[in-house]
Amino acid sequence: DTAVSQTPKYLVTQMGNDKSIKCEQNLGHDTMYWYKQDSKKFLKIMFSYNNKELIINETVPNRFSPKSPDKAHLNLHINSLELGDSAVYFCASSQSGASEKLFFGSGTQLSVL
Amino acid sequence: SQQGEEDPQALSIQEGENATMNCSYKTSINNLQWYRQNSGRGLVHLILIRSNEREKHSGRLRVTLDTSKKSSSLLITASRAADTASYFCATDSKGSQGNLIFGKGTKLSVKP
Repeated sequence: DTAVSQTPKYLVTQMGNDKSIKCEQNLGHDTMYWYKQDSKKFLKIMFSYNNKELIINETVPNRFSPKSPDKAHLNLHINSLELGDSAVYFCASSQSGASEKLFFGSGTQLSVL
Repeated sequence: SQQGEEDPQALSIQEGENATMNCSYKTSINNLQWYRQNSGRGLVHLILIRSNEREKHSGRLRVTLDTSKKSSSLLITASRAADTASYFCATDSKGSQGNLIFGKGTKLSVKP
C-alpha cells in the first residue's frame, strides 16, 4: 500500500485555468505538507497543516490554497494558473511536524502552457 | 527561505568508492535530516540526527553533525550504481514554524 499518494502524476493545462492536486496518506499522521520543486530541483515548503493549524509560507501566492476535508487528505487548489507555476509538487506527511521524518508522495508534474 | 547548502552540487564516482556530501546551514537547528531522490520520484528519508548528537550510522550511511560549524556530512561507503540519486539535507530550525527546509541537493552519479 502506498503511504502517501497524490494524483494526478502529470497535469498539463493552459494559463488561466484552475486545477487541483489530491493527496492522501494512510499512515495516521497528524501533519501534512505541500512542497514545490522547481526545475533546478530546489524544494520549497508551501504549506504545512495539522488538524489545528495551517502554516502558510508567506511567499506563496494566494492563488494557491490547501483544503483538508479530513486528517488523511490535503488537497492543493491553484487558481488562475501562470507559466511560473510549472514545477513538480510534492505532498508529504509526518507524525508530528519536522521533528520526525517526512514521507513523500511521488509528485505531480504540472506543466502550464 | 533556504537553510541548507549542499556541497558539491554534483559528484561522480566509481562503484565501490566512498561518497561524501556536505551540508552547511545558517541558524540553530533542532535536527537535521538527509533524504534521497531518485530521478522522477519522491524523496525518501535516510537518516535523522538531532542537535545533541554528533554521529549516526545506518547500514552503509554515516552522518556527522558539527553544530559549532553548522555543518553536516553524509558518507556513503562502498557505493553502488543503485546509489545514483540526488541527496538533500533538510533542517528543522528553531523558529521555522516546525517546517523542514531543504537545501539544493547533491547529484551523485555512481558508475558501474
